[in-house]
Amino acid sequence: SAVISQKPSRDICQRGTSLTIQCQVDSQVTMMFWYRQQPGQSLTLIATANQGSEATYESGFVIDKFPISRPNLTFSTLTVSNMSPEDSSIYLCSVDLPLGTEAFFGQGTRLTVV
Amino acid sequence: AQTVTQSQPEMSVQEAETVTLSCTYDTSESDYYLFWYKQPPSRQMILVIRQEAYKQQNATENRFSVNFQKAAKSFSLKISDSQLGDAAMYFCAYRSSGGGSNYKLTFGKGTLLTVNP
Repeated sequence: SAVISQKPSRDICQRGTSLTIQCQVDSQVTMMFWYRQQPGQSLTLIATANQGSEATYESGFVIDKFPISRPNLTFSTLTVSNMSPEDSSIYLCSVDLPLGTEAFFGQGTRLTVV
Repeated sequence: AQTVTQSQPEMSVQEAETVTLSCTYDTSESDYYLFWYKQPPSRQMILVIRQEAYKQQNATENRFSVNFQKAAKSFSLKISDSQLGDAAMYFCAYRSSGGGSNYKLTFGKGTLLTVNP
């Protein structure tokens, strides 16, 4: 299994500002995923982050709004830029272990934009 | 694109009883993985059980078992001897067996399970 530390666990932010969420894994992983879970909804993939290459964004998500960094095999950040109340969600980091078939998740970041 | 459907927004069960959560999916692929994840109020996504599509035998993990019907594209979760700690949101999820971006998970909308003492 993998232990994933996600920070912050929650935050309340002013509209128009940006928040960077960090995801630290206790082992080297190839792929890291960022999901958004809007209130009362399911998880939707924002992007896939591979070390050494640009993140791959899903339809409806753009790099200017959700820039992602992946400087090494154990760490990634997701920034939510120019926030509006519609960005209020839980953001989750997820990883796959090498040769693994299941995803492991961080504890999520609950973001509220006021 | 794959889709996952959970038709039961909410379910309830008495403690020590058995409950079954439904999930159907749509795919044109022959090899894939299916999962049930549990999300308690703590927000942590916890893997409950996994099924490989190429395996005919239904997966079992202690009190949790699945009924995997590949032809019908159905993947239900049975929880036996329900406990108060089983109360959570349950998500059914699909993953292709391919590499690269195919490793993403596609989730259903979830079923909120309440366990009554």
